[in-house]
Amino acid sequence: SQQGEEDPQALSIQEGENATMNCSYKTSINNLQWYRQNSGRGLVHLILIRSNEREKHSGRLRVTLDTSKKSSSLLITASRAADTASYFCATEPDRDNYGQNFVFGPGTRLSVLP
Amino acid sequence: KAGVTQTPRYLIKTRGQQVTLSCSPISGHRSVSWYQQTPGQGLQFLFEYFSETQRNKGNFPGRFSGRQFSNSRSEMNVSTLELGDSALYLCASSLDRTEKLFFGSGTQLSVL
Repeated sequence: SQQGEEDPQALSIQEGENATMNCSYKTSINNLQWYRQNSGRGLVHLILIRSNEREKHSGRLRVTLDTSKKSSSLLITASRAADTASYFCATEPDRDNYGQNFVFGPGTRLSVLP
Repeated sequence: KAGVTQTPRYLIKTRGQQVTLSCSPISGHRSVSWYQQTPGQGLQFLFEYFSETQRNKGNFPGRFSGRQFSNSRSEMNVSTLELGDSALYLCASSLDRTEKLFFGSGTQLSVL
């Protein structure tokens, strides 16, 4: 079964608005990462948050991690049309689940309308 | 520094044929992972190689195989292609398993 599940599956907003995507996972993890994918292309790493961190910022991105709820959220502030893409969370299982590689969720498709 | 290079970019095959995809990782990266992406199943992990050894394997049939060479370049092979093998195959490299992944642009395989 998939480790990560993003919510919502699709999100449509106006330029300048904020976009929030959520990710839930099942097993304990070492870290959680967010990636972006433009249509039909490879994924691009956005941000990594470790299991002992609660919040991380990178430019217009803010990621939070709640290990007690096994969930993470990605906030994109002041969105731009260029942010239109699919966003995936990927979890790296911890030592108890060692041997498993990164597991990706199904993704959230974000559309930013000009 | 050059990124991850995957060749070919597009491939059309017929059922029953076999195919080989190539991936050149970022210089210095020893870990190479392969993923299959389809609209219905999302990103599914195929296998990971580190220093020419397969370290981990996903839940795919034996028709899917791979290898890694001493220069860290990797190939994956799919034999006896089925229609359901049509997908975007993504290769990712990293310094090691726990580090962030750098993806290539993928090979879009269509099986007719």
